[in-house]
Amino acid sequence: GAVVSQHPSRVICKSGTSVKIECRSLDFQATTMFWYRQFPKQSLMLMATSNEGSKATYEQGVEKDKFLINHASLTLSTLTVTSAHPEDSSFYICSARDHPTSGGESTDTQYFGPGTRLTVL
Amino acid sequence: GQNIDQPTEMTATEGAIVQINCTYQTSGFNGLFWYQQHAGEAPTFLSYNVLDGLEEKGRFSSFLSRSKGYSYLLLKELQMKDSASYLCAPMDSNYQLIWGAGTKLIIKP
Repeated sequence: GAVVSQHPSRVICKSGTSVKIECRSLDFQATTMFWYRQFPKQSLMLMATSNEGSKATYEQGVEKDKFLINHASLTLSTLTVTSAHPEDSSFYICSARDHPTSGGESTDTQYFGPGTRLTVL
Repeated sequence: GQNIDQPTEMTATEGAIVQINCTYQTSGFNGLFWYQQHAGEAPTFLSYNVLDGLEEKGRFSSFLSRSKGYSYLLLKELQMKDSASYLCAPMDSNYQLIWGAGTKLIIKP
């Protein structure tokens, strides 16, 4: 099955620092990657949709200058939380969607990375 | 607006069968996904339905009725490891998944 990796799995940082989270599709090409945030006991909240080679589309209320997204290749997207504050502490999860290959068919299924737990002190 | 309705919590016994229902309202429809999420972990894909009817995959089956805006996930021969949250996520006309809070399933011995 499709595998998505995410790194790091856990990070603790001081307030005001920046944190970069990587999301990789390991065995398929992903034209589209999604970044979610999930607070304890709450549903997934979509932060942004990232298409390879173009600017990310941010959901309402998500600051694009604070959450920088780069999708430089079909297998890698990064989320950088700039000047992190304690209220940014959360579980950040990426997902990747299949890219239609020649002779194949996209299922539109999103496969999730294992998530990154960010704690800002 | 877009809306997902699932029971907040369900309890079932090991070895039994449980059905988790989901009703939804979306702007357009491009299929419905079921994900499993263990506490503290990311969701994992379980099933995808785009046409009406039942899709069976091992112990798990998923049913869809587009006209009723209704789906269910059926889990058979329940195991303790099935204790998790189950997320019903329809895909809207923009191919975005719509997420609810999910159903927390508790399995008792």
